[in-house]
Amino acid sequence: DQQVKQNSPSLSVQEGRISILNCDYTNSMFDYFLWYKKYPAEGPTFLISISSIKDKNEDGRFTVFLNKSAKHLSLHIVPSQPGDSAVYFCAASAQDGNQFYFGTGTSLTVIP
Amino acid sequence: KAGVTQTPRYLIKTRGQQVTLSCSPISGHRSVSWYQQTPGQGLQFLFEYFSETQRNKGNFPGRFSGRQFSNSRSEMNVSTLELGDSALYLCASSLATGSNSGNTIYFGEGSWLTVV
Repeated sequence: DQQVKQNSPSLSVQEGRISILNCDYTNSMFDYFLWYKKYPAEGPTFLISISSIKDKNEDGRFTVFLNKSAKHLSLHIVPSQPGDSAVYFCAASAQDGNQFYFGTGTSLTVIP
Repeated sequence: KAGVTQTPRYLIKTRGQQVTLSCSPISGHRSVSWYQQTPGQGLQFLFEYFSETQRNKGNFPGRFSGRQFSNSRSEMNVSTLELGDSALYLCASSLATGSNSGNTIYFGEGSWLTVV
């Protein structure tokens, strides 16, 4: 049972434009969410997180939005750069924070 | 500060054999978790250890096991390897403060296992 879903396996965006990656979850107990970026043959790298007490968190070109009522979060990358081309995973955890549930990933390609 | 270190990085095993993968967490991190990544399946949670105790376990057969040592280093073992066990095995560590506020997990580079 996939509790965290990324329904778009891939996304292509022109350099300089906005990339929007989406993630949905089913478990209402989740209250901490993270995004990771993964290049081939490397481990995932932490990008940005958000707690359920917020609806937005920003870090440079990356902004994560959380809509608790819709159980939906999104990652915005502005402006997109070719180096952003990678697979992006969203993850969620509940209050104890001991187990993280990951989506299946979205492969982002930024076209120069 | 050194990151999460996993060894070996690459290995090839034959069906029926067993394999042990090792993980050294970030210094001061007490929680170690393991994930399996296969194409199209995302990261599947295997198990999580804290203070040498397995706290959480994913939906994997008993052939997958792990342990954590007193220095927080962890190993995972897969016995009676099957072709479908070919995957990237990722180890992650966190402070595990007991609350998930800021409890980010940090991944190692992974161990690529190929079963032939």
